[in-house]
Amino acid sequence: GAVVSQHPSWVICKSGTSVKIECRSLDFQATTMFWYRQFPKQSLMLMATSNEGSKATYEQGVEKDKFLINHASLTLSTLTVTSAHPEDSSFYICSAIPQREVIFGPGTRLTVL
Amino acid sequence: GNSVTQMEGPVTLSEEAFLTINCTYTATGYPSLFWYVQYPGEGLQLLLKATKADDKGSNKGFEATYRKETTSFHLEKGSVQVSDSAVYFCALSDYTGTASKLTFGTGTRLQVTL
Repeated sequence: GAVVSQHPSWVICKSGTSVKIECRSLDFQATTMFWYRQFPKQSLMLMATSNEGSKATYEQGVEKDKFLINHASLTLSTLTVTSAHPEDSSFYICSAIPQREVIFGPGTRLTVL
Repeated sequence: GNSVTQMEGPVTLSEEAFLTINCTYTATGYPSLFWYVQYPGEGLQLLLKATKADDKGSNKGFEATYRKETTSFHLEKGSVQVSDSAVYFCALSDYTGTASKLTFGTGTRLQVTL
């Protein structure tokens, strides 16, 4: 079946640095991908909708300059957390929708020291 | 806007006990409803879904019925196993064009003991 992969699965970085997270659709093309953030013991919050070839659509309250999204091809979307701070530490999850069923990636755990 | 409310956990049950996790929703239009499961250290997996009123989704012994009159989608299982220990998320989708955004509940942690 359709699979969405993420890389890396976990990353630790120093405060002030930038981190890039990749989301790939395997065996299918995804013109739209979604990025979620999950805090410990809380639900997933939609951050933005990534659109291939155009600008991402950000949810209210999400800083677009902080969380840069690039959807340069039909199988890859990237989320870059710029100038990361400890409060950005979270579990980031992407999803895509082949055949009208949402498939989630395994997530990327970001820890900012 | 759309919202999903789940019962707070954690829920602790003995193996073979009956499970109910309540979920109610608020939505405009006619959303599809989902239950997702997240096992420790893993990503979300679709457990079951229902796309219209009175539909019953089922999978791995779990069931949930789309109740429009009570705006509910409660998850049930007749006999839980230790391997069912996970976090369960109720969600609804609001189809927008060819894609959909999911709105999640806060999740309910289930712990099943021997």
